[in-house]
Amino acid sequence: GQNIDQPTEMTATEGAIVQINCTYQTSGFNGLFWYQQHAGEAPTFLSYNVLDGLEEKGRFSSFLSRSKGYSYLLLKELQMKDSASYLCAVRGNDYKLSFGAGTTVTVRA
Amino acid sequence: DTGVSQNPRHKITKRGQNVTFRCDPISEHNRLYWYRQTLGQGPEFLTYFQNEAQLEKSRLLSDRFSAERPKGSFSTLEIQRTEQGDSAMYLCASSTPQGAGGNTIYFGEGSWLTVV
Repeated sequence: GQNIDQPTEMTATEGAIVQINCTYQTSGFNGLFWYQQHAGEAPTFLSYNVLDGLEEKGRFSSFLSRSKGYSYLLLKELQMKDSASYLCAVRGNDYKLSFGAGTTVTVRA
Repeated sequence: DTGVSQNPRHKITKRGQNVTFRCDPISEHNRLYWYRQTLGQGPEFLTYFQNEAQLEKSRLLSDRFSAERPKGSFSTLEIQRTEQGDSAMYLCASSTPQGAGGNTIYFGEGSWLTVV
C-alpha cells in the first residue's frame, strides 16, 4: 500500500513563494503527481516526476527524491487564484494513483 | 479532445434508491479509473479498467457498488440501495498506458451525490 503525508494547511502572501512538502512510503513507485483542486471542483494536473530532480513549469516547480521518498511543489509569485488544495499522488506499479489528504493553501493580499 | 466528461454533475437521492453515474473518458485513453472524495480528504481509489476489463476493485467498494465498461469506451458506476455514507464526489479519470507517452491521469469534473 501507499502512505502519503503532506501538511494540512499553509498560508502565504500574494507575490511570495510557498513550498509544499510530500513524503511517501510505497510498495511500488511509478511516478509522483501534483494536482490542484479548487473547492467543489475536480483535480487538475500540475506536474509529474518519475526521475530524481526538479521539473519546472512556469510559476510551478516540482522536485523528487526517490531515495528519500520525498517531493515538494514550489509555487512562485503567488496569486490570489492559487488559493486551492494541492494534492500529492503516487502511482504504484499497478498504475493506480494514491493520494494524500491535500494541502490547503490560502493566499492573502 | 473534450476531456473527461461525467454526468450527472449533481444528484440528490433518497436513501435506499439506486443511482448511476456515467463517465466518458478522453478518446483513445484505454485506462479508466473511478475515485471517491469526501470533504477535506484526497480522492480514494474505487476501481479501474483497462479497455473493458475491470482490473481491480478496492475493498472500499461494497457489494452495492458495481462498475462496467462494456465496450472499452464509456463507463458506468452504479450504487444500489444508497446510504447516507455514500454522499461524496465521484471522480472519473482516464489515461493512456505507461510507455505510450501517456504518463498523465486526467480527471473529469466529478459527480456530486447527496443521499438524504
